[in-house]
Amino acid sequence: GAVVSQHPSWVICKSGTSVKIECRSLDFQATTMFWYRQFPKQSLMLMATSNEGSKATYEQGVEKDKFLINHASLTLSTLTVTSAHPEDSSFYICSANSGLFNQPQHFGDGTRLSIL
Amino acid sequence: KQEVTQIPAALSVPEGENLVLNCSFTDSAIYNLQWFRQDPGKGLTSLLLIQSSQREQTSGRLNASLDKSSGRSTLYIAASQPGDSATYLCAVPYNTDKLIFGTGTRLQVFP
Repeated sequence: GAVVSQHPSWVICKSGTSVKIECRSLDFQATTMFWYRQFPKQSLMLMATSNEGSKATYEQGVEKDKFLINHASLTLSTLTVTSAHPEDSSFYICSANSGLFNQPQHFGDGTRLSIL
Repeated sequence: KQEVTQIPAALSVPEGENLVLNCSFTDSAIYNLQWFRQDPGKGLTSLLLIQSSQREQTSGRLNASLDKSSGRSTLYIAASQPGDSATYLCAVPYNTDKLIFGTGTRLQVFP
């Protein structure tokens, strides 16, 4: 079945560092990918929609300059957390679908980001 | 605005029991509903997707039903096993493929 790979799975870094997270669709092309954030014991909240070849669409309250999204190819989207601070520590998950209507989304295994 | 809630929030049962997890949504204008499983510290695994024209979907010991008019879906797990322990999330799409997730049900099945 469709597989979405997310890398890295765990990041620990100092405050002020920028961190890049990759999301790849391994066996299908994804014109659209989604980035979610999940705090402990809470559900997933959509941050932004990543569109191949165009600007990402951000949800209300998500800082565009803080969370930079690049979707340069049909199989790769990246999320860069710029100048990360402890409050950015969270679990980030990406998803993608094949673009066919009414098909399930496939999720990566997530990235746990810890900012010291 | 679409809101998705799940009850119970947590459930602990002995192995072998049949379970029902509930998902409610406020806006019935959905074209599908998806159930996911999330293991601790992991991403999501898609379990079942029910299209709006369907009333239920089955996969192995899992059966999901959908009643759009009442804004409800249930996930039935037959003969539960310790390996079923996880958080179960339901989600509905809005604005094409964006997903709104429910609050989740944390399930623990003990031997």
